Amino acid sequence: GAVVSQHPSWVICKSGTSVKIECRSLDFQATTMFWYRQFPKQSLMLMATSNEGSKATYEQGVEKDKFLINHASLTLSTLTVTSAHPEDSSFYICSARDFKGSGRGWNEQFFGPGTRLTVL
Amino acid sequence: AQTVTQSQPEMSVQEAETVTLSCTYDTSESDYYLFWYKQPPSRQMILVIRQEAYKQQNATENRFSVNFQKAAKSFSLKISDSQLGDAAMYFCAYKGGTGTASKLTFGTGTRLQVTL
Repeated sequence: GAVVSQHPSWVICKSGTSVKIECRSLDFQATTMFWYRQFPKQSLMLMATSNEGSKATYEQGVEKDKFLINHASLTLSTLTVTSAHPEDSSFYICSARDFKGSGRGWNEQFFGPGTRLTVL
Repeated sequence: AQTVTQSQPEMSVQEAETVTLSCTYDTSESDYYLFWYKQPPSRQMILVIRQEAYKQQNATENRFSVNFQKAAKSFSLKISDSQLGDAAMYFCAYKGGTGTASKLTFGTGTRLQVTL
């Protein structure tokens, strides 16, 4: 399968600072990328969906001004947690999907290895 | 909105035995996809198996197979000849069939332990 990388794999920051997480599709062009958040022992919760070159679509309850998503190229999306606070500490996972064409079909979502964010 | 329910928070199976993980979902769509993902301790999400709703035949991938009951909206995963490496969180997921606008909805997960 295709490979999706995330950087950094873990980050510790002070409260009030901003943190940027990168998500890259290494061997395919990702027209759509997804950002998820996962609390310990819980499921993945979709935060937002981004399509290359357009604004991200945020899920209900997700603050778009706090979680800035940029999908400027077909291989890179970034999530910036602005003015991070301890309650933002979580595991963030990105996923990328290539859309190969219209009509019936399923395009697999490939997941990155995740980024553990700890805000002190 | 679609919902995915996994009623078994934890399951345990002995090595070489068979275990079945349950999943039910709710949808008004007729065209959709169902998945089982595995999340080992590394937390890397791995696709185990997928099923297209329009296909009556149950999907099979080596030791993994599903029992897809469309009318009952049930989608269980059977793991045969369980191995220690199968120990992980397993998430059932649903995706509508409307192209790029559709997104994955995950269940709450089942933690599978494999014992010797």
